[in-house]
Amino acid sequence: KAGVTQTPRYLIKTRGQQVTLSCSPISGHRSVSWYQQTPGQGLQFLFEYFSETQRNKGNFPGRFSGRQFSNSRSEMNVSTLELGDSALYLCATAPGPSTDTQYFGPGTRLTVL
Amino acid sequence: SQQGEEDPQALSIQEGENATMNCSYKTSINNLQWYRQNSGRGLVHLILIRSNEREKHSGRLRVTLDTSKKSSSLLITASRAADTASYFCATVGSSNTGKLIFGQGTTLQVKP
Repeated sequence: KAGVTQTPRYLIKTRGQQVTLSCSPISGHRSVSWYQQTPGQGLQFLFEYFSETQRNKGNFPGRFSGRQFSNSRSEMNVSTLELGDSALYLCATAPGPSTDTQYFGPGTRLTVL
Repeated sequence: SQQGEEDPQALSIQEGENATMNCSYKTSINNLQWYRQNSGRGLVHLILIRSNEREKHSGRLRVTLDTSKKSSSLLITASRAADTASYFCATVGSSNTGKLIFGQGTTLQVKP
C-alpha cells in the first residue's frame, strides 16, 4: 500500500497570506488527523476528521481550519498567516476514528516570512 | 499543550550500548505509544502499550508502563547508528478519542 501523501512538501509564504495543505491517506483509512510541530511547542494536535466530520479540535485559533472529502482526503487551511505559523505540519491517518496506531505522512514544511 | 515530559532531552551513546528514555504524563490514559522521527520527517510508530499492560517487547525495543506513577520507559538494546533519531511518547486519553498527546521528545545520537 502507498503511504500517507502530503502536498506540497515545502512552502514559503508571507505574513497575511493564506495557505492550503493537502493530505491523502493510506487506502482504506478514513480517519485523518493534523498536527503542528515547532521547536518551541513540540507536537500539537490540530484536528481530527472522520467521514467528513470534525471529531476533535485542538487549541488553535479559528484561522486554522480543515475539511475532509468523501474520498477521505483532507485539507487544512491557515488564513492570515503569522510568523509563528512557521512549522512542520503533519498529517496522520488511521482506519477508523479510535484506532490506536496512526500512520504519519512526511509533513509539509511551512515557512512564513 | 504537552501531556508531559520526556527525560533525558538528549542522549548520546556508542553503538552497541543500550538507550533508555523516560516519559511522564498527567492524565488517565487508554494507551501509550512511542514514535520515532528522523531529521524533521514524519513519525514512525514503534510500539503501543495499553493501560492494563506493564511491559511489552518488540525486537530490540522494550517498553514499560507504570500507571500509578504515570510514567513509561523505552529501552533500545544494542543500539545502532541507524537508531539516531528523536523519540516521542504519545498518549491516548481514557475516552479514546484517537487524539495523540505528545511529549517533548528525546533526541538520541548513536555514535558508530
